[in-house]
Amino acid sequence: EVQLLESGGGLVQPGGSLRLSCAASGFTFSSYSMSWVRQAPGKGLEWVSVIGTSYGTTYYADSVKGRFTISRDNSKNTLYLQMDSLRAEDTAVYYCVSDRLSCSSVRCNFYFDYWGPGILVTVSS
Amino acid sequence: QSVLTQPPSVSGAPGQRVTISCTGSSSNIGAGYDVYWYQQLPGTAPKLLIYNNNNRPSGVPDRFSGSKSGSSASLAITGLQAEDEADYYCQSYDSSLSGSRVFGGGTKLTVL
Repeated sequence: EVQLLESGGGLVQPGGSLRLSCAASGFTFSSYSMSWVRQAPGKGLEWVSVIGTSYGTTYYADSVKGRFTISRDNSKNTLYLQMDSLRAEDTAVYYCVSDRLSCSSVRCNFYFDYWGPGILVTVSS
Repeated sequence: QSVLTQPPSVSGAPGQRVTISCTGSSSNIGAGYDVYWYQQLPGTAPKLLIYNNNNRPSGVPDRFSGSKSGSSASLAITGLQAEDEADYYCQSYDSSLSGSRVFGGGTKLTVL
């Protein structure tokens, strides 16, 4: 059974830092790209960042570029999100998700097949 | 403002059929990228409901179906049940935004 479990959330002051972790099990972690998706209170889903498999190619949403850093440790089956220069608008539940690739004859597509339960990050003074 | 556009809310009585639309543009759905749908029950994490436009993961009832045409997609739910009350999100990929997976704003389904 696939399991993703986030940790490291909590209350932090504006301008502060926080590191989220996601422990993965039940699948070959090193073979999957992984993403973080967040959801502000009462709002919709927002993709935050993705990291590739072995070579660690990364991409970020414009809203977090330059402030957040995604990384992974395949030996520990763990995904990370280092969040610096946090702002009030970063307040959200952060989900760790497995990022799947599906290619047709026309396009390669990306989607999220497994989700962690989420962890709340609150940025407030 | 979300890259993909969904109606904020839809409703229907038990047993009825409802549809939820998802409108994109020439850089995402219209460019040939597939559409995915997620169901988020109250207080829980989203769950993959439809993949590659019209396929259901194992365990998803066949009351749920997806379709895609041009720059838009739709999720249909037939035989509406009380437990279908949830938020539904469409998702695709946008070639104009590096690495960007994009979501719709979400649709709240109310079962009357």
